[in-house]
Amino acid sequence: ETGVTQTPRHLVMGMTNKKSLKCEQHLGHNAMYWYKQSAKKPLELMFVYSLEERVENNSVPSRFSPECPNSSHLFLHLHTLQPEDSALYLCASSQVLGVGANVLTFGAGSRLTVL
Amino acid sequence: DQQVKQNSPSLSVQEGRISILNCDYTNSMFDYFLWYKKYPAEGPTFLISISSIKDKNEDGRFTVFLNKSAKHLSLHIVPSQPGDSAVYFCAAIFAGGTSYGKLTFGQGTILTVHP
Repeated sequence: ETGVTQTPRHLVMGMTNKKSLKCEQHLGHNAMYWYKQSAKKPLELMFVYSLEERVENNSVPSRFSPECPNSSHLFLHLHTLQPEDSALYLCASSQVLGVGANVLTFGAGSRLTVL
Repeated sequence: DQQVKQNSPSLSVQEGRISILNCDYTNSMFDYFLWYKKYPAEGPTFLISISSIKDKNEDGRFTVFLNKSAKHLSLHIVPSQPGDSAVYFCAAIFAGGTSYGKLTFGQGTILTVHP
């Protein structure tokens, strides 16, 4: 596989469930990101991992818990979510240094619905 | 406070004509700008970028213009093709320091190119 792969593509969960979103990149990048796209709103940065270390947490509620076990994998653990958390969650990767650091490659996204 | 704005939610253009997508920003610290294209059920894909030291960057049918004094950039697609029909996102970043990947996005403009 190439590029950035996200699973599952669609997820429906109740407010008391615990689920995880997975992201894998095959580009040799060493920075990974979670972005959120809610209806009629711009993409919002949630978390940034650089060299497997979290370098940004953009005021995201603790019910979202990221994990980056290595430079190729990124998870977003979800628990006790609210219906307003329903959105498209996009994973992305990039280089850490140089011009490529600002050019993100996105996955197709995980569409989350919280009932 | 939305720092990057795409004020036109949609644009309809005839095949072969020019498409002009606009983007305004308010943060004068932004010094690198990108355009992404998104098809339904896919993640955003990088299209073209421009540094603030330039006022124009061209790549095939796509040209981005930057007017720093007006804090405005535009994407020109000439000639437009039906396959260009997608959502176009403008993004900006302060590329200095450790801001890699922390893009600020506009809301997107839906471009429809009619045959």
